[in-house]
Amino acid sequence: NAGVTQTPKFQVLKTGQSMTLQCAQDMNHEYMSWYRQDPGMGLRLIHYSVGAGITDQGEVPNGYNVSRSTTEDFPLRLLSAAPSQTSVYFCASQRSSHQSSYEQYFGPGTRLTVT
Amino acid sequence: AQSVTQPDIHITVSEGASLELRCNYSYGATPYLFWYVQSPGQGLQLLLKYFSGDTLVQGIKGFEAEFKRSQSSFNLRKPSVHWSDAAEYFCAVGRGGFKTIFGAGTRLFVKA
Repeated sequence: NAGVTQTPKFQVLKTGQSMTLQCAQDMNHEYMSWYRQDPGMGLRLIHYSVGAGITDQGEVPNGYNVSRSTTEDFPLRLLSAAPSQTSVYFCASQRSSHQSSYEQYFGPGTRLTVT
Repeated sequence: AQSVTQPDIHITVSEGASLELRCNYSYGATPYLFWYVQSPGQGLQLLLKYFSGDTLVQGIKGFEAEFKRSQSSFNLRKPSVHWSDAAEYFCAVGRGGFKTIFGAGTRLFVKA
């Protein structure tokens, strides 16, 4: 059981470039989400998905797109990278919204620098 | 508005000493409450959670937390800190659905 995996671990982009951060989970979890972590600001929700084909915006969605064609995968696309998107990105999954399984499992993160 | 406040950006504790990390929340109803730990270069790991019932909850690695409704607090404690506890700690709240709100984090340094 690999849990939640993210690739790449590190990435440097130039302003205006696009790229996709990959996230996959092998736990058959219903929910998946993307967060960004910036110093002093904790984790902020970018986008989330409650199942294959269903996505919604979080707190800071601008500049990012997501899709969920399968239960396992939830890629995050940066359309035109900006220096403000320099951050550490975490993908997380959660089995369901029921109390008994209300716990998020996090990937190891992707450190992105935009120059 | 829903929010989580962790008043201490960083705390330094001597190895073997006790630890308390503070967390206050603002929420319309009694939320689900969580503490996560993040070791350097790693993702977050759940330490413990509170949904209802006994207000003192036990977690992994010898941590515990107490929910105090009157103070809107959910402070994390450990009686004796080990050097391996040095990490960043996040308090979080949620209530049904999927959206969880995280605090800004408290970084713990452990002195030998």
